[in-house]
Amino acid sequence: DVKVTQSSRYLVKRTGEKVFLECVQDMDHENMFWYRQDPGLGLRLIYFSYDVKMKEKGDIPEGYSVSREKKERFSLILESASTNQTSMYLCASSLGKDAFIYEQYFGPGTRLTVT
Amino acid sequence: AQKVTQAQTEISVVEKEDVTLDCVYETRDTTYYLFWYKQPPSGELVFLIRRNSFDEQNEISGRYSWNFQKSTSSFNFTITASQVVDSAVYFCALSEANFGNEKLTFGTGTRLTIIP
Repeated sequence: DVKVTQSSRYLVKRTGEKVFLECVQDMDHENMFWYRQDPGLGLRLIYFSYDVKMKEKGDIPEGYSVSREKKERFSLILESASTNQTSMYLCASSLGKDAFIYEQYFGPGTRLTVT
Repeated sequence: AQKVTQAQTEISVVEKEDVTLDCVYETRDTTYYLFWYKQPPSGELVFLIRRNSFDEQNEISGRYSWNFQKSTSSFNFTITASQVVDSAVYFCALSEANFGNEKLTFGTGTRLTIIP
């Protein structure tokens, strides 16, 4: 079974703090993704990575950065957290080989509250 | 730009009834993939099905079935004889077939409640 783990289920941070959300997958997947989920808006892609040290902006990258130093780990960074970044953050990975589009597997999510 | 519309925000049905969740998509590509995910109260999205644009055959998996119709750009999901465990938020998603750029565009989800 594919397993995607995220470092925290719940996190509370103060405005202006630097926040790191960590994601690890154990299935040697090439692709990794960060989404945020807000009521009524569904899931929106923040950043994704299709290789180590590679990153691509998603639909809502403003206020976020990412890091992928190892294949299995993909970090989302909020440089200076703001209250409008209070949300559920979901990490996902997919196989990313053979020129096919494979399904993404999701972690349990991190509910971040910025006060 | 691609778009997925799930017009049903919330649906409630009594246990054992059948229920259909609608999904309408927009894309300019001729090659694309469609997905359904389930998000139970625990929060973790669970993959249900992937379908590519060249395969219009309907699929059945136990009580679940999917109806893909390119003519109406729809990919609807039916649960037969619903059970309480089916209560969840269901998301439809679309990916254009750009290898190395596998962005998923999600609909806003349909919250399904099965009443015992």
